[in-house]
Amino acid sequence: KNEVEQSPQNLTAQEGEFITINCSYSVGISALHWLQQHPGGGIVSLFMLSSGKKKHGRLIATINIQEKHSSLHITASHPRDSAVYICAAALKDGANSKLTFGKGITLSVRP
Amino acid sequence: KAGVTQTPRYLIKTRGQQVTLSCSPISGHRSVSWYQQTPGQGLQFLFEYFSETQRNKGNFPGRFSGRQFSNSRSEMNVSTLELGDSALYLCASSFGTGGIGYTFGSGTRLTVV
Repeated sequence: KNEVEQSPQNLTAQEGEFITINCSYSVGISALHWLQQHPGGGIVSLFMLSSGKKKHGRLIATINIQEKHSSLHITASHPRDSAVYICAAALKDGANSKLTFGKGITLSVRP
Repeated sequence: KAGVTQTPRYLIKTRGQQVTLSCSPISGHRSVSWYQQTPGQGLQFLFEYFSETQRNKGNFPGRFSGRQFSNSRSEMNVSTLELGDSALYLCASSFGTGGIGYTFGSGTRLTVV
């Protein structure tokens, strides 16, 4: 079982819709990252969270440490939001942490 | 300020050859970590270096190795290349270890033929 699970696997939305992508993890973490990857492109780090909520433009990320769950919300979605969204947990491994990745969600926003 | 720079961007190698990839971190960042991304397995952690020392290692065979220099630049080496090594190799840098504040490079796409 993967230590980091994302849902749904694929998502199609209409422009303007509110979108939620979920991530759950099974062990303690020191931080959780939300990453965006456009087709053929590199990876951009959107957020790094260890508690609470962060907002940047139309993107909002939340994390619930007790429930081991994080969500990424996109308000007023746009076709340019079409990308793969990956959640990466910095899982505690003794004194160190290493990033463990979810499989990623492929989001397609139709005009 | 300059981001994380990976070179080369694209590489084609033949089975059995070896390859060296380079990663220059953001100025002041002392930690560099490496990841492999394939369609089947997604992103997987390879190893992390901090102050020239390997701090953590993923589940990859010994053909995959790395090192970090005193200026924090890092290289990753894969020997005896196999077709399955074809992937996007990403590095990320951060000020410290512990999964905090990573900045990713654009990656090196390696194709093994």
